[in-house]
Amino acid sequence: GAVVSQHPSWVICKSGTSVKIECRSLDFQATTMFWYRQFPKQSLMLMATSNEGSKATYEQGVEKDKFLINHASLTLSTLTVTSAHPEDSSFYICSARGSSGRYETYNEQFFGPGTRLTVL
Amino acid sequence: GQNIDQPTEMTATEGAIVQINCTYQTSGFNGLFWYQQHAGEAPTFLSYNVLDGLEEKGRFSSFLSRSKGYSYLLLKELQMKDSASYLCAVRDAGGGNKLTFGTGTQLKVEL
Repeated sequence: GAVVSQHPSWVICKSGTSVKIECRSLDFQATTMFWYRQFPKQSLMLMATSNEGSKATYEQGVEKDKFLINHASLTLSTLTVTSAHPEDSSFYICSARGSSGRYETYNEQFFGPGTRLTVL
Repeated sequence: GQNIDQPTEMTATEGAIVQINCTYQTSGFNGLFWYQQHAGEAPTFLSYNVLDGLEEKGRFSSFLSRSKGYSYLLLKELQMKDSASYLCAVRDAGGGNKLTFGTGTQLKVEL
């Protein structure tokens, strides 16, 4: 199946600093990527939809100035958590939707392995 | 919006069959997905239903009734490695492919 990678897999940072998380589709082009957040023992909550070459669409309650999303190419989207605070500690997962070819069977989303963010 | 309900936890015995239910109330519907997620890992795709009926895929089957807003995931011949969280997700009717996830059902398979 399609492979999506995330980097870093985990990060620990001090309160007030910014952290950038990368999401890459390795063997397919993704016009749309999604960013989710998952707190312990809870389900995935969609934060924003990232479209290549245009501004991201944020879900209600998600601060766009705090969670900066850039989707500069068909294989890369980045999420920057600015001025991180302990309450931002979470598991951040991206997913990508294939734009063509064999990964379009169900128009499904392929998930990255996630990034564990801990803010001290 | 979407409202999706699943049982929080289930326990089953190795070799047995378990059915995980999912009910949803939605403002639009364009398919229902089931994902498996092991702790600390990303979800992996299990099945997709957009029409009523049963989709079978090896040990896993998924059923959908759109009129009832109901789906289930059936796991047969349970193995210890099937212990995981199972997420039901509904896709919006819009073209954005947006998914709304249920809270997930934590399945524990015991000997």
